[in-house]
Amino acid sequence: AQSVTQLDSHVSVSEGTPVLLRCNYSSSYSPSLFWYVQHPNKGLQLLLKYTSAATLVKGINGFEAEFKKSETSFHLTKPSAHMSDAAEYFCVVRVNTGFQKLVFGTGTRLLVSP
Amino acid sequence: ETGVTQTPRHLVMGMTNKKSLKCEQHLGHNAMYWYKQSAKKPLELMFVYNFKEQTENNSVPSRFSPECPNSSHLFLHLHTLQPEDSALYLCASSQESSVGGELFFGEGSRLTVL
Repeated sequence: AQSVTQLDSHVSVSEGTPVLLRCNYSSSYSPSLFWYVQHPNKGLQLLLKYTSAATLVKGINGFEAEFKKSETSFHLTKPSAHMSDAAEYFCVVRVNTGFQKLVFGTGTRLLVSP
Repeated sequence: ETGVTQTPRHLVMGMTNKKSLKCEQHLGHNAMYWYKQSAKKPLELMFVYNFKEQTENNSVPSRFSPECPNSSHLFLHLHTLQPEDSALYLCASSQESSVGGELFFGEGSRLTVL
């Protein structure tokens, strides 16, 4: 069965330092993978998606993710954190079960300190 | 208008009340979803509608009753809820024929059951 594992429930960084949020996936075929962000009391917003094109995917707000099949990973990175990046981040895999649907990871809370 | 609009944003109800959550999407999508987001739990898919037909019901208790009168509107009717049903209920839409088919989320309805 397709699934995603977010390895860290919380990540703390200082403003201006790099961000790394880790995600590993499990899929028996080439998956579609997404990263979503959720700010407090808001819905989820798509950051970026991978759908078997370029393995390095660029998203909004300076985020990017690299699909590595050999490592079954899809880690999210940003060179320099901003205070406004503090939020919950979800790694998501799209599954094919007759009707396609998304399976969400448990989320990683990013804390950014001044 | 924003893509996916949910009302009300906040709802407090007793266990014997009957209330409804409303979702409207202005994106021309053909699929709509209800998700439940509880503290410290992954996002749970509740219902999926594709072209107004319910295609998925993830073993949701009957005290939750969805209604999809057309491809732009989705309701979640609530009756005799339990305190453990308190959560953020998120509506989403997607275009299922497109490659990738990411979900677009509303800002959610925060439900508190007393």
